[in-house]
Amino acid sequence: GENVEQHPSTLSVQEGDSAVIKCTYSDSASNYFPWYKQELGKRPQLIIDIRSNVGEKKDQRIAVTLNKTAKHFSLHITETQPEDSAVYFCAASKVGSQGNLIFGKGTKLSVKP
Amino acid sequence: DTAVSQTPKYLVTQMGNDKSIKCEQNLGHDTMYWYKQDSKKFLKIMFSYNNKELIINETVPNRFSPKSPDKAHLNLHINSLELGDSAVYFCASSQGDRNSPLHFGNGTRLTVT
Repeated sequence: GENVEQHPSTLSVQEGDSAVIKCTYSDSASNYFPWYKQELGKRPQLIIDIRSNVGEKKDQRIAVTLNKTAKHFSLHITETQPEDSAVYFCAASKVGSQGNLIFGKGTKLSVKP
Repeated sequence: DTAVSQTPKYLVTQMGNDKSIKCEQNLGHDTMYWYKQDSKKFLKIMFSYNNKELIINETVPNRFSPKSPDKAHLNLHINSLELGDSAVYFCASSQGDRNSPLHFGNGTRLTVT
């Protein structure tokens, strides 16, 4: 089955710096890669996703890149702000898996003012 | 106007008791899920139902029994609660096999004493 590895487990940056979180997946048939943000005590919420027919996707300060050959994808947050502090999860799934998302173990991002 | 609503938000109970968590979604999705998030924040799928039919049943003790009366509802009943069941349980929904995003409920924090 699919296995998703996520690094680092914790990340601390200064406000205004960039943050990068990396994930690798094992199943080459996976074709959908969402990222979720979970603030303390709240539910995970989708912030961006990418499908395997695209190499990069941007939404304001966040971007996701996908390297299908290497089976890894990354989340990039630029100009970080204190409100970006949260746990971020990557995930992977494939058509035919009935939406079974396999999550990485999460990255706790702390943005220091 | 919550899209995925689950109740109760908090549940404190003693070992050996039986308890239920209810979930409803008004997004018109055909697939619903239960995820367990432990103290280390790992998100692990427990069950998935597609149009009231069980699709995914991960290695969850049979003390946990999901019930889906219709595609908008997926309840979780837990028998003979154990200390290790303490966690946050998230209900979620998606448009099943189209690799669409998961929409999570706000979670139920279960504490077994």
